[in-house]
Amino acid sequence: AQKVTQAQTEISVVEKEDVTLDCVYETRDTTYYLFWYKQPPSGELVFLIRRNSFDEQNEISGRYSWNFQKSTSSFNFTITASQVVDSAVYFCALSEATLNSNSGYALNFGKGTSLLVTP
Amino acid sequence: DSGVTQTPKHLITATGQRVTLRCSPRSGDLSVYWYQQSLDQGLQFLIQYYNGEERAKGNILERFSAQQFPDLHSELNLSSLELGDSALYFCASSGPTLSSDTQYFGPGTRLTVL
Repeated sequence: AQKVTQAQTEISVVEKEDVTLDCVYETRDTTYYLFWYKQPPSGELVFLIRRNSFDEQNEISGRYSWNFQKSTSSFNFTITASQVVDSAVYFCALSEATLNSNSGYALNFGKGTSLLVTP
Repeated sequence: DSGVTQTPKHLITATGQRVTLRCSPRSGDLSVYWYQQSLDQGLQFLIQYYNGEERAKGNILERFSAQQFPDLHSELNLSSLELGDSALYFCASSGPTLSSDTQYFGPGTRLTVL
């Protein structure tokens, strides 16, 4: 069975600090996809990134960067120079790449990390 | 705006009642997923439809059912509601192929059972 662990329940930082959100996953599949979603206070789930298990290149998008390390089964997310608007709950998720009769391509979410950025 | 729409945004009802949540996927997407978000269970997959057919079932109670119509919109029916069914229900869509494409989420329907 798949499992996603986000050990940090809550993180509080001051604006302009860098912050890293950890995500560790478990799967028996060799091909899978990893995702990060953001849930701001308004409640919607916003897609941030999708990586497949064969692509271990780190990715940077503006102030956001992701570090995928297959050796440690981790897919960590770093926000550089955090801003108040980054305050949200961030979810890491995993899905299989082959159709599973029980779960299809459903996302298996971690419990989320609540990030609070104060001025 | 993800392009996925959900109605209603809020729903307040009483125990024992039945409600229907509606979802319209993004243009061109054929897969619709339903998820439940509650404080104790987190985000949990309920059910997936692809082009009108049920493709996968997760932790969906027997009191809950869903369907996807020819125009690809989907409805989630919740019956004999209990207090514990109070949650945020999300619909997501992906496609057009049956694969592990990115799922884009609607704004959710917040269900309160009193």
